[in-house]
Amino acid sequence: RKEVEQDPGPFNVPEGATVAFNCTYSNSASQSFFWYRQDCRKEPKLLMSVYSSGNEDGRFTAQLNRASQYISLLIRDSKLSDSATYLCVVNTPQFYFGTGTSLTVIP
Amino acid sequence: NAGVTQTPKFQVLKTGQSMTLQCAQDMNHEYMSWYRQDPGMGLRLIHYSVGAGITDQGEVPNGYNVSRSTTEDFPLRLLSAAPSQTSVYFCASSRATNYEQYFGPGTRLTVT
Repeated sequence: RKEVEQDPGPFNVPEGATVAFNCTYSNSASQSFFWYRQDCRKEPKLLMSVYSSGNEDGRFTAQLNRASQYISLLIRDSKLSDSATYLCVVNTPQFYFGTGTSLTVIP
Repeated sequence: NAGVTQTPKFQVLKTGQSMTLQCAQDMNHEYMSWYRQDPGMGLRLIHYSVGAGITDQGEVPNGYNVSRSTTEDFPLRLLSAAPSQTSVYFCASSRATNYEQYFGPGTRLTVT
């Protein structure tokens, strides 16, 4: 079983839409959780850490559900510039990356 | 600050050759790591270090060596290149307090 699993998508949404991504992890002892975005042929960039109480950064909201072992990312009011691949990352304490969910925001 | 730098950006090797991928960071981060990214596989951890003089294996360490003699530098050595090592290699660093990793721009390696 993979340590981290994500729906690969692709998600194609119109500008202004709300979109949600989920990610499940297998190790209940996982300690830290993150969302990264990766643009085509570029390095991953940290979008946000995910805290147990949930956290928000502008249009982005991240949630952690330890009981069900999943993390989620909600993007509100999607912009064209949000088009990218979104990676969930779990620290067990080794780092495991999901394969990514592709998002395209359509004008 | 330059952040995390990697050299070279591109490299072509023949099977059996060895080489070193360079990684440096100027943020005084304790934690550094190397990943490879292959299509459909996501990023996989090769080796990591929690400080100078300390290294450990990640998920896919075979065929690679690392050392960490200074806080700033974390080179990755390919001992005898194989076509299966064709990949994009990323180096990353973070504080050991939050593990929010910053990535270098990557090295695209082709082994023929």
